[in-house]
Amino acid sequence: DVKVTQSSRYLVKRTGEKVFLECVQDMDHENMFWYRQDPGLGLRLIYFSYDVKMKEKGDIPEGYSVSREKKERFSLILESASTNQTSMYLCASSPRGPDTQYFGPGTRLTVL
Amino acid sequence: GENVEQHPSTLSVQEGDSAVIKCTYSDSASNYFPWYKQELGKRPQLIIDIRSNVGEKKDQRIAVTLNKTAKHFSLHITETQPEDSAVYFCAAKEARTGFQKLVFGTGTRLLVSP
Repeated sequence: DVKVTQSSRYLVKRTGEKVFLECVQDMDHENMFWYRQDPGLGLRLIYFSYDVKMKEKGDIPEGYSVSREKKERFSLILESASTNQTSMYLCASSPRGPDTQYFGPGTRLTVL
Repeated sequence: GENVEQHPSTLSVQEGDSAVIKCTYSDSASNYFPWYKQELGKRPQLIIDIRSNVGEKKDQRIAVTLNKTAKHFSLHITETQPEDSAVYFCAAKEARTGFQKLVFGTGTRLLVSP
């Protein structure tokens, strides 16, 4: 059974803080993704990675960066958190061939 | 890039009724269309998907239809039950880049009343 985990379910940070969100998958998947979910806007792709140390910008990369040093771990970094980055952040992974993405439980980030 | 529109944003039905959610996409090269269900407080989970070489796919009470000419696809749920209450997201896979990038619709909140 595919398991995608995220480091925190809830996180509260202050404006200007550097924030790390971590995602780990245990199925040896090549692809990993970071989305943010906002009411009425659906899931929007921030960044994705198709291999270790490889990354591609998604649709809303501004204000974010990512790191993938190991295959199983994909980190989302907010260099200087702002209030408009308050959101639910979802990580997902998928194998190289099939297109099915498996999601983590999400991290609800509040920036004060 | 790809753009996916989803309607309606909310849908209320009585238990036993059918529910239909529609999505349109913009890129004719898109070739994979999944549907995800997200229950309250839970992660999105794939419930059904369809590829561009197929017009319809069924799995028990749920079905998806695809009209490539019109660039729209729909989720059909028959004999709805209260446990079908959730937010449903459609998505389309961008084919041009070669990556497994999905573009999601904005979601439909389905409420099934007993």
